[in-house]
Amino acid sequence: QSVLTQPPSVSGAPGQRVTISCTGSSSNIGAGYDVHWYQHLPGTAPKLLIYGNTNRPSGVPDRFSGSKSGTSASLAITGLQAEDEADYYCQSYDSSLSGSVFGGGTKLTVL
Amino acid sequence: EVQLVESGGGLVQPGGSLRLSCAASGFTFSSYGMNWVRQAPGKGLEWVSYISSSSSTIYYADSVKGRFTISRDNAKNSLYLQMNSLRAEDTAVYYCAGTAAGTGWFDPWGQGTLVTVSS
Repeated sequence: QSVLTQPPSVSGAPGQRVTISCTGSSSNIGAGYDVHWYQHLPGTAPKLLIYGNTNRPSGVPDRFSGSKSGTSASLAITGLQAEDEADYYCQSYDSSLSGSVFGGGTKLTVL
Repeated sequence: EVQLVESGGGLVQPGGSLRLSCAASGFTFSSYGMNWVRQAPGKGLEWVSYISSSSSTIYYADSVKGRFTISRDNAKNSLYLQMNSLRAEDTAVYYCAGTAAGTGWFDPWGQGTLVTVSS
């Protein structure tokens, strides 16, 4: 059971918009710690997608956006493309565990 | 080019030991905190351990505390993970990942090295 809760899977047709939620608690997201998002393709290094809740590293398309409110955060992907099919993870810090925590991951399927 | 390359993975019997290494290049390694993150087969990412740039601060996940030891050598641009008393549930791909000073996100990442604990 992951400290941060994500839906196991989401799907959408090309061109559509999908969102992935990340729910935490008062010791992590709710305590004000930032949320970061990663895209992971099997057999490759995870890739930083969103940092500091809403910021995109250079090279990440503006189709990807992040938000945070209360004890939750969300990743939105607009204009879905086949290449977006991957696993997505949220990450934050947990004060009660004194360490970083990941969500369980969400598999995005582009129909 | 920014690069992290892990090595040292392999097959080990339960109760055995293994030492992973991570070689850094293309960025100022001595300015970055470093982490080990693992992914068991069919599972998600799990943070394992963190070491600050000067090695003054170290954290471990409860699942490995007392069995794993993280260390670094800034002169060699290298990060290590000494894994003792290995269990079947430690079977995973182990990634090293950097954390720039004052930030909390992981970037860059290595490609990972597979550790299999089995008799």
